[in-house]
Amino acid sequence: NAGVTQTPKFQVLKTGQSMTLQCAQDMNHNSMYWYRQDPGMGLRLIYYSASEGTTDKGEVPNGYNVSRLNKREFSLRLESAAPSQTSVYFCASSRQPTWVNEQFFGPGTRLTVL
Amino acid sequence: SQQGEEDPQALSIQEGENATMNCSYKTSINNLQWYRQNSGRGLVHLILIRSNEREKHSGRLRVTLDTSKKSSSLLITASRAADTASYFCAGGGADGLTFGKGTHLIIQP
Repeated sequence: NAGVTQTPKFQVLKTGQSMTLQCAQDMNHNSMYWYRQDPGMGLRLIYYSASEGTTDKGEVPNGYNVSRLNKREFSLRLESAAPSQTSVYFCASSRQPTWVNEQFFGPGTRLTVL
Repeated sequence: SQQGEEDPQALSIQEGENATMNCSYKTSINNLQWYRQNSGRGLVHLILIRSNEREKHSGRLRVTLDTSKKSSSLLITASRAADTASYFCAGGGADGLTFGKGTHLIIQP
């Protein structure tokens, strides 16, 4: 099992460009999450999907959109990238759609917006 | 907002010593989780302690939870070079899973 995979690993964008970060899990988990991590900071939740067909905003959703494509895949889209979105993005999944289970994380996407 | 705040921010000890990290949180939680992050990698779950538990062990890890003080501690015994990493606590509650800023642990050989 690959666990949680993310593509791409690195990306450089110019201000105003758009891109989609892809995430997939092969653990048959119900819930999936997108976080961002800035230097010296913990992770902040952008969006989450408690189950297939549902998505909800987290702590820092502005400037982002998400799509739960199916049970395996959860994508994060930046419509018009800004330098403030320079960060490392992590996707995670968990078995239950509640906050009582451990989360499994992908390796991250390092995004730089110039 | 950050749910957990770890203390210290950085810790350097000799291999074989014990490492203790503390975490304080602000609101009520269902559980308190600890994660490890090696440089440039994703987070790895270490241990989860529920709000009705006071202590939990897993291998060389010991976690305590004091809900009256809204605090938790992570003890790593007999540290190894491979334990060098950042450690994050995360409170699981109505607002979801929210992370602290982490403790960077360095194990000196």
